[in-house]
Amino acid sequence: AQSVAQPEDQVNVAEGNPLTVKCTYSVSGNPYLFWYVQYPNRGLQFLLKYITGDNLVKGSYGFEAEFNKSQTSFHLKKPSALVSDSALYFCAVRDPAPDSNYQLIWGAGTKLIIKP
Amino acid sequence: KAGVTQTPRYLIKTRGQQVTLSCSPISGHRSVSWYQQTPGQGLQFLFEYFSETQRNKGNFPGRFSGRQFSNSRSEMNVSTLELGDSALYLCASAQGTTSSYEQYFGPGTRLTVT
Repeated sequence: AQSVAQPEDQVNVAEGNPLTVKCTYSVSGNPYLFWYVQYPNRGLQFLLKYITGDNLVKGSYGFEAEFNKSQTSFHLKKPSALVSDSALYFCAVRDPAPDSNYQLIWGAGTKLIIKP
Repeated sequence: KAGVTQTPRYLIKTRGQQVTLSCSPISGHRSVSWYQQTPGQGLQFLFEYFSETQRNKGNFPGRFSGRQFSNSRSEMNVSTLELGDSALYLCASAQGTTSSYEQYFGPGTRLTVT
């Protein structure tokens, strides 16, 4: 079955350190991959997406993600974390099966906590 | 451009009642999706509408239904409410289908069922 996994419920990082939020997927074919972020009291927002092309995708707020086809991963990264990055992060992948109407599959979310 | 708006923002209903939630997408967006968010279950996809047609449906019982109007505005209805329906209901719009286009989310409707 098609699936997406965010293996860590919570990630703790000190301010100024690099951060990584992990996402792995299991779909056949060529996936479309998305990251969304939910800040407290600010709703869900789109961060970045990978459709095709360069494996390194840059998004909002200094975030980037690397598509790794061999490892079926799309980890979210930032070189220097800010306290304001503390939020809930969701990874989503497009199911490439035509009979699924290309439905988006969502990960369970990872809570990122940046400590001053 | 105005963002996605959802009404009402907060709602308290009694078990067994029904409820209708409304969503107005960003102007020009043709796709509207609905999600249920709870602390224990995370973000659960309900359904997606594109040009008034339901394009995708999540694994929810038939008590959950929706529709989209010609102006792309959407409504979601839950009949015979259960305590477990208490959640934040999020609406999102996109220029095209959500599998390719980024979604813009509204602030949500917080439904409490007592």
